[in-house]
Amino acid sequence: SAVISQKPSRDICQRGTSLTIQCQVDSQVTMMFWYRQQPGQSLTLIATANQGSEATYESGFVIDKFPISRPNLTFSTLTVSNMSPEDSSIYLCSVQLAGYEQYFGPGTRLTVT
Amino acid sequence: KQEVTQIPAALSVPEGENLVLNCSFTDSAIYNLQWFRQDPGKGLTSLLLIQSSQREQTSGRLNASLDKSSGRSTLYIAASQPGDSATYLCAVSSTGGFKTIFGAGTRLFVKA
Repeated sequence: SAVISQKPSRDICQRGTSLTIQCQVDSQVTMMFWYRQQPGQSLTLIATANQGSEATYESGFVIDKFPISRPNLTFSTLTVSNMSPEDSSIYLCSVQLAGYEQYFGPGTRLTVT
Repeated sequence: KQEVTQIPAALSVPEGENLVLNCSFTDSAIYNLQWFRQDPGKGLTSLLLIQSSQREQTSGRLNASLDKSSGRSTLYIAASQPGDSATYLCAVSSTGGFKTIFGAGTRLFVKA
């Protein structure tokens, strides 16, 4: 299994500002994933982050809006840039271990006013 | 393109009842299927993982089955308790890829 922590757990931000979310894993993993969960919705994959390479973004998500860093095998950050109220969501970090079993962090609840 | 559907969207049962949550997927070429629990405003907790070669997995009061050929999985919860109240999500990882597709979830409420 994997233990994943995220910071911050929640934040209230003003429109037009940026927020960086941190994700820390207790073991080295190749792939880390960032998901968004809008109110009342299921999870949507934003991007996949591999250490040492550019993140791969899903359709509808762009690097300028959601820049991601992956400096080592246990850590990643997701920045939500130039925020608008539509960015209010829970942002979740995830890793895959052997057999593609996924584990999730506790999430970051973002409210944009 | 893989699509995952969960039925029902919401379910309310009295404490002690046994219940079944359903998950269906359109592409049977899966690597595994995973059931998660999510409490309001929280992250996801992995409940059970079924590899494509397996038919079922059990953990305590939970039993998950997989019928790959028909594109279905069920999560059986025995003797439900109020603490089981949460949203249950089904997720599928497809063969040849690492991406996981999630269903919309079943919101369960167990009444004391």
